[in-house]
Amino acid sequence: GAGVSQSPSNKVTEKGKDVELRCDPISGHTALYWYRQSLGQGLEFLIYFQGNSAPDKSGLPSDRFSAERTGGSVSTLTIQRTQQEDSAVYLCASSLALGTSGGAFLDTQYFGPGTRLTVL
Amino acid sequence: TQLLEQSPQFLSIQEGENLTVYCNSSSVFSSLQWYRQEPGEGPVLLVTVVTGGEVKKLKRLTFQFGDARKDSSLHITAAQTGDTGLYLCAGLRSNDYKLSFGAGTTVTVRA
Repeated sequence: GAGVSQSPSNKVTEKGKDVELRCDPISGHTALYWYRQSLGQGLEFLIYFQGNSAPDKSGLPSDRFSAERTGGSVSTLTIQRTQQEDSAVYLCASSLALGTSGGAFLDTQYFGPGTRLTVL
Repeated sequence: TQLLEQSPQFLSIQEGENLTVYCNSSSVFSSLQWYRQEPGEGPVLLVTVVTGGEVKKLKRLTFQFGDARKDSSLHITAAQTGDTGLYLCAGLRSNDYKLSFGAGTTVTVRA
């Protein structure tokens, strides 16, 4: 498997339950991003990890959302006490690194197929 | 509030026709990217434009970055059914590594 994989592909849960979404990045990629895509909206940045640096959590919408990346590879996005407005497709992307300093160039991000989360 | 506004939201055309999708902002970006996303899949990067006024061509697709680096357009010549998909623009601001995405344009090319 050369691409980014995510599991589960679909998750239906009841309001108030916790969910965990998993992302397996491309081997050797040091940067990993999580995005949320709601119907009719573009992708909303949630968090990124780069190597051993502290993650940029500035996009997490509330303290119910958290993410970790173990051993610089697999990442898990956890949503506690899910709400109906959390329903969306959650996309993970990985890249070789972040890009050049100054942000003029981003290393190409390769996206997984996403996890569709439905909160009833 | 979207930092990048895409128009139109939906576009349906006949095979062989041309189309243009616009991406506008009041913010300046150091670079701008265009992605295509198909149902059930993640977005795939088509192009990155960096210099104001830059034009890049990818077969029948032409991408332009505005002179002021606040807007961009994607033009498809002689559209094919395989061009059907959601087209997303995404901008990167200086000293940042977070992309800001537009809401997307859903393009349908009818046979």
